[in-house]
Amino acid sequence: DAKTTQPPSMDCAEGRAANLPCNHSTISGNEYVYWYRQIHSQGPQYIIHGLKNNETNEMASLIITEDRKSSTLILPHATLRDTAVYYCIVRVPLIYNQGGKLIFGQGTELSVKP
Amino acid sequence: EAQVTQNPRYLITVTGKKLTVTCSQNMNHEYMSWYRQDPGLGLRQIYYSMNVEVTDKGDVPEGYKVSRKEKRNFPLILESPSPNQTSLYFCASTFIPGTGDPYNEQFFGPGTRLTVL
Repeated sequence: DAKTTQPPSMDCAEGRAANLPCNHSTISGNEYVYWYRQIHSQGPQYIIHGLKNNETNEMASLIITEDRKSSTLILPHATLRDTAVYYCIVRVPLIYNQGGKLIFGQGTELSVKP
Repeated sequence: EAQVTQNPRYLITVTGKKLTVTCSQNMNHEYMSWYRQDPGLGLRQIYYSMNVEVTDKGDVPEGYKVSRKEKRNFPLILESPSPNQTSLYFCASTFIPGTGDPYNEQFFGPGTRLTVL
């Protein structure tokens, strides 16, 4: 699985967009980009995933650069409840990877402030 | 409600006293997995299971056992716990897609905080 690099921490004002970057310069063609978050020692929560195209769901948007070497997770209107550690994970899907494990790096600790 | 449950949520025990942490999911998922989370080390996979009676080691299996006799349950067994197994444990599950977008979101349980004295 490709290595990812994320800033250790970021701040965001409540109601503003939070843009969390992730570098994955060694990503290979069949690897997806996944984002999870962990709120204060709770179980990690899936947010979004993508392969090549930008993706949007009810929680967030994922922007992947054309060369796929980096991506940005966007929380459009951050709230205090979005304060969490956000993990960018790059890997092949489970059906190609018997172990199925998710490799959580150090992530980005996002603090949303009033 | 679709969920992964773990019991107990908190446990303090002593070295050598066998214990079991249960994990159950109600989503009919084939795949289940155990992770431990330690400060500075992130989440590391202990064991996983692709289906009933199919289990395999993850990255840190030493000192742990698992079983998968039923699809919904995947207990983690510590036969002789030691202080270095003090950690926060998470169970996760997902389906294994046959076709279509193979993204398979993993669902995590709430965690079990284990302290071994």
